[in-house]
Amino acid sequence: ETGVTQSPTHLIKTRGQQVTLRCSSQSGHNTVSWYQQALGQGPQFIFQYYREEENGRGNFPPRFSGLQFPNYSSELNVNALELDDSALYLCASSTGTGGVYEQYFGPGTRLTVT
Amino acid sequence: GDSVTQMEGPVTLSEEAFLTINCTYTATGYPSLFWYVQYPGEGLQLLLKATKADDKGSNKGFEATYRKETTSFHLEKGSVQVSDSAVYFCALSDPFDALNFGKGTSLLVTP
Repeated sequence: ETGVTQSPTHLIKTRGQQVTLRCSSQSGHNTVSWYQQALGQGPQFIFQYYREEENGRGNFPPRFSGLQFPNYSSELNVNALELDDSALYLCASSTGTGGVYEQYFGPGTRLTVT
Repeated sequence: GDSVTQMEGPVTLSEEAFLTINCTYTATGYPSLFWYVQYPGEGLQLLLKATKADDKGSNKGFEATYRKETTSFHLEKGSVQVSDSAVYFCALSDPFDALNFGKGTSLLVTP
């Protein structure tokens, strides 16, 4: 069984640019959540997708947007990058929404904005 | 809103020492509680969980009990190993299944 995978592993962007991060969910999982983890901090919830619809959003501006595809893979898009967007971006998949469903995390994408 | 507070690190212990990492939470409902571990250079791994009051989660020698009366979920291990060196995150889940994490506690175990 393949776990959650993310691409790219790391990338460097310039302030003002746009970036797309990708996540492949674990087989059989229909829910994907995205988190931002700044250095030395705990992950912060960005948003969640359930069956291709946004199902909840954290305190992030609209320039953070996402998609979920019919195969339940997902993208995170960030427009107009700012220096503070430098972080590890984590994707997690699960078999449903609700606190009883375990989330499985990918290894993350390290984004550096210069 | 819901939140998690965990003890500041870093925590440095000798091998075979007893470990406690404190975690308290604030929530309006009845959340599920989790401990995640992050090894250097890796993503998060679920260590243990508890979904209701008085439940005890356990895994790999680690334990934590969901205490509603003290709103706590402290992580314990009787004898730590060097391989336990990592960052430990306490978290709770809200109704959307989004995880609300603490800031993490770094643990270093020395031989």
